[in-house]
Amino acid sequence: GQQLNQSPQSMFIQEGEDVSMNCTSSSIFNTWLWYKQEPGEGPVLLIALYKAGELTSNGRLTAQFGITRKDSFLNISASIPSDVGIYFCAGRSVSGGTSYGKLTFGQGTILTVHP
Amino acid sequence: SQTIHQWPATLVQPVGSPLSLECTVEGTSNPNLYWYRQAAGRGLQLLFYSIGIDQISSEVPQNLSASRPQDRQFILSSKKLLLSDSGFYLCAWNRGTEAFFGQGTRLTVV
Repeated sequence: GQQLNQSPQSMFIQEGEDVSMNCTSSSIFNTWLWYKQEPGEGPVLLIALYKAGELTSNGRLTAQFGITRKDSFLNISASIPSDVGIYFCAGRSVSGGTSYGKLTFGQGTILTVHP
Repeated sequence: SQTIHQWPATLVQPVGSPLSLECTVEGTSNPNLYWYRQAAGRGLQLLFYSIGIDQISSEVPQNLSASRPQDRQFILSSKKLLLSDSGFYLCAWNRGTEAFFGQGTRLTVV
């Protein structure tokens, strides 16, 4: 089946530093999504990407849909303590059929920000 | 606007007892519905998805089952819980490309 490799698995950074994480896939996706999950909560959608090469920002967050359609990255600039959480990438494949609407998730990046 | 409700938020159940977790979506029709399990605060494992009433697909063999008796209602069940069923269960929905999650249920089987 489809696999997403998300890295790094965890990051420990100082407040004010920039953060970068990425996901790579064994197959082509036509949608990439980035989510943030805080402890005890469900993941919340941060950014959605629909086109190869697309670069989208949401405040201090920037994400890009790789031109090969097999990867995506998320950058967080000038991190703050409330950025703490688990960040997930998710992709939806080109093919439909029984996979319609199904998202494949990465394993998550645990972000810790030290004040 | 669309909302998703999932309950209960936390649950402690003895081994061998039954389980019923409920999820409902408001503000949309004919959504795709999903049940995920998250162990140890990490990856999301897709358990079941549904594209319509009484249409359920299981992703992994397990001690759980799912049902969709109404368009916007998705239920996760078990007849007899195992210790290994403990985890954080998330319901999600989508109609297009973006999926939206409920608040999750923390299940502890003791």
